[in-house]
Amino acid sequence: DAKTTQPTSMDCAEGRAANLPCNHSTISGNEYVYWYRQIHSQGPQYIIHGLKNNETNEMASLIITEDRKSSTLILPHATLRDTAVYYCIVSGAGNKLTFGGGTRVLVKP
Amino acid sequence: SAVISQKPSRDICQRGTSLTIQCQVDSQVTMMFWYRQQPGQSLTLIATANQGSEATYESGFVIDKFPISRPNLTFSTLTVSNMSPEDSSIYLCSVEGNAGTYEQYFGPGTRLTVT
Repeated sequence: DAKTTQPTSMDCAEGRAANLPCNHSTISGNEYVYWYRQIHSQGPQYIIHGLKNNETNEMASLIITEDRKSSTLILPHATLRDTAVYYCIVSGAGNKLTFGGGTRVLVKP
Repeated sequence: SAVISQKPSRDICQRGTSLTIQCQVDSQVTMMFWYRQQPGQSLTLIATANQGSEATYESGFVIDKFPISRPNLTFSTLTVSNMSPEDSSIYLCSVEGNAGTYEQYFGPGTRLTVT
């Protein structure tokens, strides 16, 4: 599976959009981009995934660049409950997930 | 989405002993996964457990240390054998989502402390 690079941490203002970048320059054609988050003392929670088109669901939007070498997870209106570690993972469909270090996001009032 | 429960939620064990962690899912699933999360670290996959076959272990994890059972499509156990303080971690199970989707759903984890 391709490796991903994410910033170690970032702060966001409550009510504003949070944009979380991820680089995956070695992604192959059949690999998906997944985003999970882990709130303190809980198991990881699936957020969204995509192959090459942008995706949106009730939690977030995923923007994937045309060359698929990077992506951005957008939380449209961050709340204090969005404080968590966010993991960007690249994997083939149905394959195992390899978690990297993730981005520790702190939403501030 | 699947609802996953784990037992125990936490335990404190003495070195040299073994602990079996249970993972129960509210629906039938083909693949179940076991992860370890050491203090302050990310998750590491231990093994993949399919019903009716032996678990597939990742590099660095062996069956003698982490035997896994998968007796049916809703249940699995992970045993941490002959424990040492280095085994102190959170152990999580996860399952695949519905066919055609690619997300995984995670249990709440079992926090293990070995003294």
